[in-house]
Order: sequence, then C-alpha cells, then structure tokens
Amino acid sequence: NAGVTQTPKFQVLKTGQSMTLQCAQDMNHEYMSWYRQDPGMGLRLIHYSVGAGITDQGEVPNGYNVSRSTTEDFPLRLLSAAPSQTSVYFCASSYLSASGSNSPLHFGNGTRLTVT
Amino acid sequence: DAKTTQPPSMDCAEGRAANLPCNHSTISGNEYVYWYRQIHSQGPQYIIHGLKNNETNEMASLIITEDRKSSTLILPHATLRDTAVYYCIVRPLPGGYQKVTFGTGTKLQVIP
Repeated sequence: NAGVTQTPKFQVLKTGQSMTLQCAQDMNHEYMSWYRQDPGMGLRLIHYSVGAGITDQGEVPNGYNVSRSTTEDFPLRLLSAAPSQTSVYFCASSYLSASGSNSPLHFGNGTRLTVT
Repeated sequence: DAKTTQPPSMDCAEGRAANLPCNHSTISGNEYVYWYRQIHSQGPQYIIHGLKNNETNEMASLIITEDRKSSTLILPHATLRDTAVYYCIVRPLPGGYQKVTFGTGTKLQVIP
C-alpha cells in the first residue's frame, strides 16, 4: 500500500490563479480530510468527508472547495489563490469503524504552497 | 466539539521519562483521546489512543484520569529522535460528528 499520496510536493502560484491539490489513498478509508499548517498555528481543518458524495466544512473553509466522487480521491481546489493561502497542506484519511473507535488518521507528506 | 489544551513546550533529558499533559475538560462520553506527533515538517504520526482505560503500546503509555478531563502521554525513555511536536486530540465514536480538530500541540525538546 502506498498510503496517503499528495501531489504536488511543492507549488508556487501567483495571486488569482487557481489550482487543485491532489490527495489519494489506497486503503479504502471512508474518512478523508484536509488541514493547513502555518507557523505557530498547529493544524487547522479545512474540509472533511465521511464518504463518497459527502463533504462538510471544517474550521477554515473559505477560499477552498472539495468534492468526493470516489472513495480514493479527495482533491482540494483553490479557486483564486491569495497570499494568505501560503501554507503547508496535509491530507489525512481513516476508517470509520462500525463498532469501537475509529482508526487513527493516516497523513500524507504535505504540499508546500506559496502564493506570491 | 471538545477542545484540548497543552503546554506549548517542554524539555526532557535523554533517557528520562517524558510526561506530556493534555486537558480536555469538555470531552463527552462518546469521544476518544488520540495522540500524534510531528517530526520536522512531516505529516503527523499516530502514537496511541484510549477511551477511559490506560493504554500502552510499543511507543508510549496513555494515562486518562477517571473523570476523563485530562490525560498524560508518557514516553518511558526519551531519545533525541523523540524531539517533535506532540498533539492531543479528541475524536468521536463512529456515527458522531467527525470534525477532527488539532490544537497547537506541545513542542518536546529532548536534551542530550
């Protein structure tokens, strides 16, 4: 298993450009989520999904769109990039157990985005 | 959603036990406590989790108070490789609202 794969690893955008950060997992996890991490801010939840066709907003959803058409993929779209979106973005996934605790989150290695 | 509070930083001498506290006073009965750590700029790595009983695995031990309002992660013999940011989070049981949020964590520095 490759686990959680994020692409690209690095990206530089100009203000106003759009792009999609890709996240794929091969563990058949129902739950997937996106976080951003800024210096001194810890991880902040952007959007999450509990299954194909189901998404919901996290703590900081403005400026980002998501969709979940398959179990494996959960892309994050920046419609019009702004310098405030310069950050490191992490994707995570887990099982949602039928009983007992949910499985731990598995994280990707991140995408480092700079918006100039 | 339950929130967690952790000290921003701690030091620990190499070879000694590192005890990292976490306050989750608003935790509800259907929420688990999870611990993760993040080394440098890598993605966070799972360490351990528990509901109300103490737990131990090959990496660490988790002590949860009887009222479940706080917990302590114990690294029994800290090494330099344990230098990282440690996050304590709460997460609902299956079927619960799955908005999993992280705080700013505790930066643990293991000193030679």
